[in-house]
Amino acid sequence: EAGVAQSPRYKIIEKRQSVAFWCNPISGHATLYWYQQILGQGPKLLIQFQNNGVVDDSQLPKDRFSAERLKGVDSTLKIQPAKLEDSAVYLCASSPPTSGRNEQFFGPGTRLTVL
Amino acid sequence: QKEVEQNSGPLSVPEGAIASLNCTYSDRGSQSFFWYRQYSGKSPELIMSIYSNGDKEDGRFTAQLNKASQYVSLLIRDSQPSDSATYLCAAKAGTALIFGKGTTLSVSS
Repeated sequence: EAGVAQSPRYKIIEKRQSVAFWCNPISGHATLYWYQQILGQGPKLLIQFQNNGVVDDSQLPKDRFSAERLKGVDSTLKIQPAKLEDSAVYLCASSPPTSGRNEQFFGPGTRLTVL
Repeated sequence: QKEVEQNSGPLSVPEGAIASLNCTYSDRGSQSFFWYRQYSGKSPELIMSIYSNGDKEDGRFTAQLNKASQYVSLLIRDSQPSDSATYLCAAKAGTALIFGKGTTLSVSS
């Protein structure tokens, strides 16, 4: 079974530029998550989708971050404009529909550096 | 604020020893708990999940849960240098997972 796919793996941008990340979850996984992991910290949830609806986006900085999951499969996360403090690894994870206990499986992540 | 607390370490053990990693959580409503292993530069990998009080064993790993004390632990028996990584504890709070900052384990040969 293929795992969670993410691209790009690395991105370097200047502050105030925009950037977008893409995620393709494990086939059949209804729930998709975007996390931000700053160096030395645990992952922090940014947004959770159930199919193509948003379940939780309470920690998403909505003035600069946006996310969508069209057709309930792939998802994109966008930052516009980026700030220095957005430098982090952005992780996508997914859960199967029967996993009410919330076992999550992570993709390889996108390492973002904002200069 | 729902939190998961871990000692950041580093925890250093010799090869073949038992490594003990601990975690406390603040949300009494949490019912599901997870241990993830994260190698440097890699993404977290799920290694154990536990939902009931007591012990759960899987190979060299044993997870322990005490809901009354709001305490979760992970024991790694016969530690190997390949176990050297950061171990993240996570608790389900509502629909989300809350992660601790992780404990770095170093196993010396």
